[in-house]
Amino acid sequence: GIQVEQSPPDLILQEGANSTLRCNFSDSVNNLQWFHQNPWGQLINLFYIPSGTKQNGRLSATTVTTERYSLLYISSSQTTDSGVYFCAVEGRSNYQLIWGAGTKLIIKP
Amino acid sequence: DTEVTQTPKHLVMGMTNKKSLKCEQHMGHRAMYWYKQKAKKPPELMFVYSYEKLSINESVPSRFSPECPNSSLLNLHLHALQPEDSALYLCASSQDRQVISTDTQYFGPGTRLTVL
Repeated sequence: GIQVEQSPPDLILQEGANSTLRCNFSDSVNNLQWFHQNPWGQLINLFYIPSGTKQNGRLSATTVTTERYSLLYISSSQTTDSGVYFCAVEGRSNYQLIWGAGTKLIIKP
Repeated sequence: DTEVTQTPKHLVMGMTNKKSLKCEQHMGHRAMYWYKQKAKKPPELMFVYSYEKLSINESVPSRFSPECPNSSLLNLHLHALQPEDSALYLCASSQDRQVISTDTQYFGPGTRLTVL
């Protein structure tokens, strides 16, 4: 099956810093989604991005299908950005999401 | 309204108890999901309902019994659980699973379940 790898596993930054999170996937996919899970467990869908680039405020994401990776950029980090960021893909052979292990981000004030 | 609600927020139950988790969405979505999430792990898919019919059961033990009474509601009935079933249980919904690609999934806040 498809493997999804996220890096780095952990990231600690000061407020105001920028960061780049990476998601590599091992095979062609139908789509890719980025999620943020806050410390209380709420999962929020950030981007549905099978290819190309999207931006939403301080966050943007790019998926390069030919090279099988996606990047999530967070600019001017705030403490509320803390949590775990998951990348999830849907393979071409079924309709279920395959999740990466996540990147735990801690933003210090 | 892009909200999925779940009740209760927290649940503590004994191994002989019967309880139910509830999930509701009013976005007109026709696919609904149950996930189980252990600490420091990604969510694991348990069940998928598409157009109120069970379409995916990820080999979940029978002590978990899903139910979809209508297109807005999803229940998870629990009976004779084990301590290792303690986890965060997440409900999600999406627009339509009868197209080729998965739509954006919207998640509820989850129910933190502790089995004693």
